[in-house]
Amino acid sequence: ETGVTQSPTHLIKTRGQQVTLRCSSQSGHNTVSWYQQALGQGPQFIFQYYREEENGRGNFPPRFSGLQFPNYSSELNVNALELDDSALYLCASSLVLGGANTEAFFGQGTRLTVV
Amino acid sequence: AQSVTQLDSQVPVFEEAPVELRCNYSSSVSVYLFWYVQYPNQGLQLLLKYLSGSTLVESINGFEAEFNKSQTSFHLRKPSVHISDTAEYFCAVGKAAGNKLTFGGGTRVLVKP
Repeated sequence: ETGVTQSPTHLIKTRGQQVTLRCSSQSGHNTVSWYQQALGQGPQFIFQYYREEENGRGNFPPRFSGLQFPNYSSELNVNALELDDSALYLCASSLVLGGANTEAFFGQGTRLTVV
Repeated sequence: AQSVTQLDSQVPVFEEAPVELRCNYSSSVSVYLFWYVQYPNQGLQLLLKYLSGSTLVESINGFEAEFNKSQTSFHLRKPSVHISDTAEYFCAVGKAAGNKLTFGGGTRVLVKP
């Protein structure tokens, strides 16, 4: 059983650029959630994808967008990067089955630095 | 809306001493409760969870947490810590086990020899 994997592990971008982060869900899981963890803070929910559609969104602007693919992997896209977007981005996967939702398992994260 | 408050941002503790990390939450609906641990430069690992049933839940590495509905708390305890327990600990709540989680600000535990 493979765990949640994220790529890349580290990334440096310039303000105004666009970035794509990738996540492969744990084997058997069909739901992916993304979180932003700023330095010294707890993770904040960005959005969740289930059946390739957004299924809940936190308080993040539209320049944060995502995709989920048929194999349940996911991408997080951030446009027009700002310095405050510098953070650890965490992906978590879970299984929704028959209305029940298992607990979330997290990847190692992608450390994004915006300069 | 849900919120989580971890009352201590840092907890220094000597090896083999007990530790308690406090977590209080607010929610208008029933929630599931979690403790996650984050080691330096790593993601989050699930430490333990309360979904239903017994209010005292235990992890395989000696941690336990007790759900107290009347006090809306889910404090984490370990009777004897090891150097390897040095990490940041996050309390989280969610309306479903894997759905949107609301995290506290974290408690950094530093175990001293």
